[in-house]
Formats: sequence, C-alpha cells, structure tokens
Amino acid sequence: DTGVSQDPRHKITKRGQNVTFRCDPISEHNRLYWYRQTLGQGPEFLTYFQNEAQLEKSRLLSDRFSAERPKGSFSTLEIQRTEQGDSAMYLCASTYPDSGTDTQYFGPGTRLTVL
Amino acid sequence: QQQVKQSPQSLIVQKGGISIINCAYENTAFDYFPWYQQFPGKGPALLIAIRPDVSEKKEGRFTISFNKSAKQFSLHIMDSQPGDSATYFCAALYNQGGKLIFGQGTELSVKP
Repeated sequence: DTGVSQDPRHKITKRGQNVTFRCDPISEHNRLYWYRQTLGQGPEFLTYFQNEAQLEKSRLLSDRFSAERPKGSFSTLEIQRTEQGDSAMYLCASTYPDSGTDTQYFGPGTRLTVL
Repeated sequence: QQQVKQSPQSLIVQKGGISIINCAYENTAFDYFPWYQQFPGKGPALLIAIRPDVSEKKEGRFTISFNKSAKQFSLHIMDSQPGDSATYFCAALYNQGGKLIFGQGTELSVKP
C-alpha cells in the first residue's frame, strides 16, 4: 500500500493555459474522488468515479473542467482556459466501499497557481 | 441541506490541555462522520470517525462525542501536544462510497 499519489505537486501557469493533473489511487480502490481546497477552507467535492464510470459531478465543475479515469485505475483532471479563480489545491482521494469502509484516503494534492 | 458547520475557526491551547472542536449538521441522512487532520502542504489524513449509532468513540488521546438528537459532534484532543498543531476538519457522508461534505476547518495551535 503506497498511498494515493498525485502529480505534479505544484503547477504554475498563466491565465488561459490548459493544465492536466494526474492521480494514482491506492491499488484495488475502485472509487476515486477529486476535491478542490482553497486557502482557509475545507475541501469541496468536484467529481467521483467508480471504476471508469463518472458517477457524480458538482455544479462547481464548469465546462472548462473535465475528468477521466479511462481504465479504472489512474485519473486525470484537466482545466482548460485557466482563470485566476482556479488557483487552489486539487486533492484526490480513493476508497474501496465494497470492503465495508467509508474511509477516503487523500493524496498530497496538486497546488495550482494561475498568474 | 448538506452543510456542515464547524467552530471555532482557530484555537490556541497550552501543552497538556484539552482541545475541543465542534461541528453541527442539518441532513439527518448523514451516517458517517470522520475527522481529518491536515498539516501545511499535505493532504488531509483520517484521524478518527464515528457512526450515529454510537455516542462516543475513543482512540488514544482523540475522542469523538456524538449527539444525534442535537445533530452535533465534537472532537476532543486530550493532553494536547505541539505536534498536534494542524488544521482539523470534520466531515459527513450519507451515501456509502459517496462524497464527503467538509466543515470549514479549525486551525489548532498548541503552545509549549
């Protein structure tokens, strides 16, 4: 069990550029979540997957955001035409609800700064 | 409503003291209430969690007290240590495997 990993850890981009983040969940965890956390706030849910199926998307997820989990393993979150308001920590979490646990294990996050 | 309200926003405690953080929720369908600890630059890490059929759960120095009728729950940190200085988040979930709804966070500082 190597934990949830995210890449990159930090990303600085200019407004209008596209960015993509990757999340590798804990092995065998079939549910994967994306959250966004701004300074001084709790994480806010963005979207989640069961295997490769995207089950729910938050209204926070504008059409500039897209997430995929093509093979039910790693996931990517892409933000197109970034805006300064997209600056935040993007967190990924995973869990295996079939095991009877509700514990979501979080990765270290990707810190996005949009200039 | 799906909101979870957390207080206080910040807390300063002397080493060896008791830290108490409170949360309140509205949705009675919530059935899992975890507390997460987050250090600067790190992701949240699960500290302790409780289900509404239990009024208290203790793990080491950390205790959750749960009041179902009042729709409130709290985290107690006994014998607080400087290493406990971090931001603490309560959260709630009502659909197994679904999304977590987080409180606003409490920044705890334990003074030596």
